[in-house]
Amino acid sequence: AQSVAQPEDQVNVAEGNPLTVKCTYSVSGNPYLFWYVQYPNRGLQFLLKYITGDNLVKGSYGFEAEFNKSQTSFHLKKPSALVSDSALYFCVLYYGQNFVFGPGTRLSVLP
Amino acid sequence: DSGVTQTPKHLITATGQRVTLRCSPRSGDLSVYWYQQSLDQGLQFLIHYYNGEERAKGNILERFSAQQFPDLHSELNLSSLELGDSALYFCASSPGDEWNQPQHFGDGTRLSIL
Repeated sequence: AQSVAQPEDQVNVAEGNPLTVKCTYSVSGNPYLFWYVQYPNRGLQFLLKYITGDNLVKGSYGFEAEFNKSQTSFHLKKPSALVSDSALYFCVLYYGQNFVFGPGTRLSVLP
Repeated sequence: DSGVTQTPKHLITATGQRVTLRCSPRSGDLSVYWYQQSLDQGLQFLIHYYNGEERAKGNILERFSAQQFPDLHSELNLSSLELGDSALYFCASSPGDEWNQPQHFGDGTRLSIL
């Protein structure tokens, strides 16, 4: 069955440092993957998606993600973290008319 | 502001009751998606409507139903409520019915079952 894992519940990073939020997936067939971010008491906001094509996907607010088929991963990255990036991040897999969400990773960027 | 409006913001009710959650999509968006976010099950996709027609069903219980009206607003009906239905319910909208379009989320309705 299709699934999404985010192996880290919490990621802490200092402001100005690069950040990575990890995501791995399991699916039979081609994966279609998204990253969304959720700020406190708000709905989710779209960051980026991978459908086909380049393995490096650029998205909103300076975020990018690297798709790696051999490692079944889709890690979210940003070269220089901001305090305002502190939020809950979700990796999402689309398969068979269903959206499967990872458990979320809480990112804290420390000033 | 995403442009998606959900009402009410909070709802408190008792087991066995029925409630209706309402969603108004962004202007021009024809698709509405419903999601449930709970502490024990995380985020789950419930159902997708496009221009009044059901397009896809996810992990939606039989006690739950939804519809999308001609003015494109959508309602999620939850009946015979159980304690485990306590959750944050989100709707999201997108312009077309293609699944790969970014979705714009409302701020949710928090449902508490006592």
